[in-house]
Amino acid sequence: EDKVVQSPLSLVVHEGDTVTLNCSYEVTNFRSLLWYKQEKKAPTFLFMLTSSGIEKKSGRLSSILDKKELFSILNITATQTGDSAVYLCASAPFPNTGNQFYFGTGTSLTVIP
Amino acid sequence: DTGVSQDPRHKITKRGQNVTFRCDPISEHNRLYWYRQTLGQGPEFLTYFQNEAQLEKSRLLSDRFSAERPKGSFSTLEIQRTEQGDSAMYLCASTRGPLTDTQYFGPGTRLTVL
Repeated sequence: EDKVVQSPLSLVVHEGDTVTLNCSYEVTNFRSLLWYKQEKKAPTFLFMLTSSGIEKKSGRLSSILDKKELFSILNITATQTGDSAVYLCASAPFPNTGNQFYFGTGTSLTVIP
Repeated sequence: DTGVSQDPRHKITKRGQNVTFRCDPISEHNRLYWYRQTLGQGPEFLTYFQNEAQLEKSRLLSDRFSAERPKGSFSTLEIQRTEQGDSAMYLCASTRGPLTDTQYFGPGTRLTVL
């Protein structure tokens, strides 16, 4: 059964801390891994990772994919209260393979001032 | 580019009633996805379209759910004979095409079935 699993389910940190969120996947016809941030609304896109071992960065956020071990991590350095959200990862299939996108249940991050 | 829009944003209905939601994707995006999300869970895939063709539907989806995208632009999702378990946020997302994985989500329609 195809699945995407995220850990931890929730995390509480203080401003300035660094956090690492984990996403593992077992998916047929896997092509890429996506990270989203969801506040009290629809998910917003953060990263798409297709190649193994290449880090993507955007400000204080970075992410990397390991296609051999079937996982990805999302790092947030110098956390701020505005980083408080649910972080979702999703697997995307190769096109026209009849497979759907699978989302994890998310990691709820709370950053305390 | 006005983003993905959904209508209505909120819907309250009584059990047994039919409801219909609309999604307008980003204009040049030819793939459109419907998801359902309940509290504490990630989005659950329901169905997707490439242009007007419905390419896949979740095996877990009840026959009471149907979706259309008649002209390859906006899409509608209908739920017949609603049940309390249908209460959820219904999200629509679009992508530019099959080689683009980045999905852009609409604000969602929150359904409450009483």
